[in-house]
Amino acid sequence: LAKTTQPISMDSYEGQEVNITCSHNNIATNDYITWYQQFPSQGPRFIIQGYKTKVTNEVASLFIPADRKSSTLSLPRVSLSDTAVYYCLPSGAGSYQLTFGKGTKLSVIP
Amino acid sequence: NAGVMQNPRHLVRRRGQEARLRCSPMKGHSHVYWYRQLPEEGLKFMVYLQKENIIDESGMPKERFSAEFPKEGPSILRIQQVVRGDSAAYFCASSPPASGGSSYNEQFFGPGTRLTVL
Repeated sequence: LAKTTQPISMDSYEGQEVNITCSHNNIATNDYITWYQQFPSQGPRFIIQGYKTKVTNEVASLFIPADRKSSTLSLPRVSLSDTAVYYCLPSGAGSYQLTFGKGTKLSVIP
Repeated sequence: NAGVMQNPRHLVRRRGQEARLRCSPMKGHSHVYWYRQLPEEGLKFMVYLQKENIIDESGMPKERFSAEFPKEGPSILRIQQVVRGDSAAYFCASSPPASGGSSYNEQFFGPGTRLTVL
């Protein structure tokens, strides 16, 4: 399993763009990179997934460089409701054992 | 379409008692997964079940823990003779039948059951 490293916490003001980078140096060739969001007292929620380059959806963008040893989750114009823990998970296609690290605790300040 | 349901949301047990945690997957989902989250930690995989079958229980403690997903009714995670170290949040997730080995099968998580052992 690919080991991941993320900042433990980040603070941001409302309206700013937030970028959270995750290192996964030993990611396997067939691993996708998936990001989950977890609010206090709730289960994790899928945000976005990618394999390489850039993926964008209505919630976030995911940037993955060519070597795939890291990925960056970008949240545009955060609001207070984006305060949560964000997890980066490399996982193989078809795999079901999700491995969550400690994640990055994002605090959005008014 | 209701999401994954878990009950109870909070459960308090004394040492030595049994804890039963229930999970109803999303409609149309036949795969259920249980995870445990200790305070300030990420979720850890425990077990993967399909209807009437345990597919992978490699994350389950060898003793006192069991899980089932009967043909009818919710999935149950059962912890016998609870100890203080069992205090944690237990999350259930579900997913639809796999659409192919090369595709990612998103897991949808419930709100969790917070178990406190006194």
